[in-house]
Amino acid sequence: ILNVEQSPQSLHVQEGDSTNFTCSFPSSNFYALHWYRWETAKSPEALFVMTLNGDEKKKGRISATLNTKEGYSYLYIKGSQPEDSATYLCACRYNQGGKLIFGQGTELSVKP
Amino acid sequence: NAGVMQNPRHLVRRRGQEARLRCSPMKGHSHVYWYRQLPEEGLKFMVYLQKENIIDESGMPKERFSAEFPKEGPSILRIQQVVRGDSAAYFCASSPGQGNGYTFGSGTRLTVV
Repeated sequence: ILNVEQSPQSLHVQEGDSTNFTCSFPSSNFYALHWYRWETAKSPEALFVMTLNGDEKKKGRISATLNTKEGYSYLYIKGSQPEDSATYLCACRYNQGGKLIFGQGTELSVKP
Repeated sequence: NAGVMQNPRHLVRRRGQEARLRCSPMKGHSHVYWYRQLPEEGLKFMVYLQKENIIDESGMPKERFSAEFPKEGPSILRIQQVVRGDSAAYFCASSPGQGNGYTFGSGTRLTVV
C-alpha cells in the first residue's frame, strides 16, 4: 500500500509569518507530485505539478521543492495572509498510472 | 467552461435505499476519478474511468458500489442498499488525459439516516 504522509497535520501562524510543511512519499516508481489548495466548502484547486528531482515551482508567495531520491517535497508560504488559510494537499502518482494518492493534508490557519 | 459539475450537492438517504451520484467532467476531459472523504480522513481513491471503460477500480468496495461513464452523459457512482458507514463526501475529478492534473468538482455530501 502506497502511503503519502503530510506534516504537520495543522498549523496556526500569525499574519506575516513564513511557513512550510512537508510531504513524504515512497520514491520507488515515483512519477509526479501534485500540490492542491483546498478551502472549506470549495473544491481542491491545483497549485503545482512536479516531476523531476530538484524541481522548484513558484506562484506568488507560494513555492515548492521536490526531492525524488529521498521522497519528500516542501511547500513554502512567504508572509502568510489570512486568505492563505486552507488545507494544503499533496498527492503522488506512480508509474504513469492515472490515479493520484493523496496525503491527509496540512490545515493552515493564519490569524490577522 | 463550467468546470466539473457534481450533483446533487447534498443527498440524504435512508438505510437500504440507493444513492446515485452524478459527475459531468470538464469539456474535453475524457478521464474521470471518484474519491471519497470519510469524516476526519483524507481523500481516498475509489475508481478511475475513461469513456465506457473502468481503468482502475482498486479502491471500490467489492459489494454495493458500482461506477460507469457512458459514451453519452455523466459518470454515475451508484451505491446500493446504503448503510450509515457510507455517509461521506464523494468527490469527482476529471483530466484531459492520463498523467495530467485533476480538476475537481465541489463534491456530493451523502448522509445516510
